[in-house]
Parts: sequence; C-alpha cells; structure tokens
Amino acid sequence: EAAVTQSPRSKVAVTGGKVTLSCHQTNNHDYMYWYRQDTGHGLRLIHYSYVADSTEKGDIPDGYKASRPSQENFSLILELASLSQTAVYFCAAGTGLAEQFFGPGTRLTVL
Amino acid sequence: GDSVTQTEGLVTLTEGLPVMLNCTYQTIYSNAFLFWYVHYLNESPWLLLRSSTDNKRTEHQGFHATLHKSSSSFHLQKSSAQLSDSALYYCALSDDTNAYKVIFGKGTHLHVLP
Repeated sequence: EAAVTQSPRSKVAVTGGKVTLSCHQTNNHDYMYWYRQDTGHGLRLIHYSYVADSTEKGDIPDGYKASRPSQENFSLILELASLSQTAVYFCAAGTGLAEQFFGPGTRLTVL
Repeated sequence: GDSVTQTEGLVTLTEGLPVMLNCTYQTIYSNAFLFWYVHYLNESPWLLLRSSTDNKRTEHQGFHATLHKSSSSFHLQKSSAQLSDSALYYCALSDDTNAYKVIFGKGTHLHVLP
C-alpha cells in the first residue's frame, strides 16, 4: 500500500475557480511538501510543513495556500486558479535529510 | 543560495553504452547531502542514491555516483544502459543546517534506444 496518496489524480479547473489538492501519508513523517513539476523547471517547492497546524512557504508560494490539519494530511489550495498553474503537482513526505516519499501526482489543467 | 545544475534536457543513448548524467552543486554549507531521484513515466519519483561522504562511491540498482566535494559534483553513472533505464533523473541537494529542504535540479531525461 502506497505511503503517500493524492487526490484527485487529475483535475480540470476553470480560471478563477478554487482548487484543493489533497495529500495523505501513512508513515507518520514529520515533513510534508508540495512541489510542482514543469518541463524545464524540474520539481519546485511550493509549501512545506514540519508539524500539524503549521505551514511554511517554499520557493514559489505565490498563488498557493497550504493547510496541514493533522500529521497525516496536507492540502494545497488555489483560491483563484490561473492558466499558469497548469502543471503536475506532487506531494511528498519525509524526515529531513532522509528519503522523501512522493505521491503519484495530480495533473491539474486550468482552462 | 544553494543550487543544483544537471545535464539539461534529453540524453539519448543506445542500449549497452555507458551512462553518465552530470550534476554539480553550489552550497555555502560544508555538510552537503546529495541525492539522485528517478522518475519513471506514470510513477512517483523515488530515491535512487544518496551520499554525504566525500570521495565514497555509492551504488544501487546498477547505478553509482561519487560525491566529490572538491569539485562539487555528484555525477550518476552506469556501465551499460538498459531500455528500462529510460526515465527522468533528478539530482538534489540538502544539508544538515536546513534538513527539511531539498533543492532539485531541473532534471535530465534519459532515453535508451534499442
């Protein structure tokens, strides 16, 4: 059974709409991350969290919010989706300096 | 700030030839940790290799890399490419001062031809 799961696996959203991407982990890792993957840019960190009820900005946080209501769950929220946010989004969990475990990804298309 | 530079774009090889994907990094911290992640199509990225020890060869699943702090490099190598090695490879950097944060390179697509 996968340690990190994401939902939905794909999503089509309209410009200006709200999108919530969810991530769930079962290995009790302290750190959770949201990355976006774009061709030519690799994996870029959007937000991360090292404890429940706390989130931190990553390298490209503009236009995104994050929420970590529990150790297991970490959400990424796009309040006003834009065309430029079309990408594949990966959630990961880990313990810092050790391996990061990635979810299967969510393909988001904003029209 | 910290950064990672990889062989960019697409590397195309014929099966059986050696693989070398370049990775260099910049960091102000002395205790760097370097990683190679592999991302197969329609799967999740996963850790292939990890090292923080200078001049020590690390091996896994036929791939190997040696961290050279003098040249800030952590190149990924394999003696003989296989069709199944076709994937996107990320080099990544962390350090024990900012243990939570891993900086990824832009990725290198390896395409192995028969």
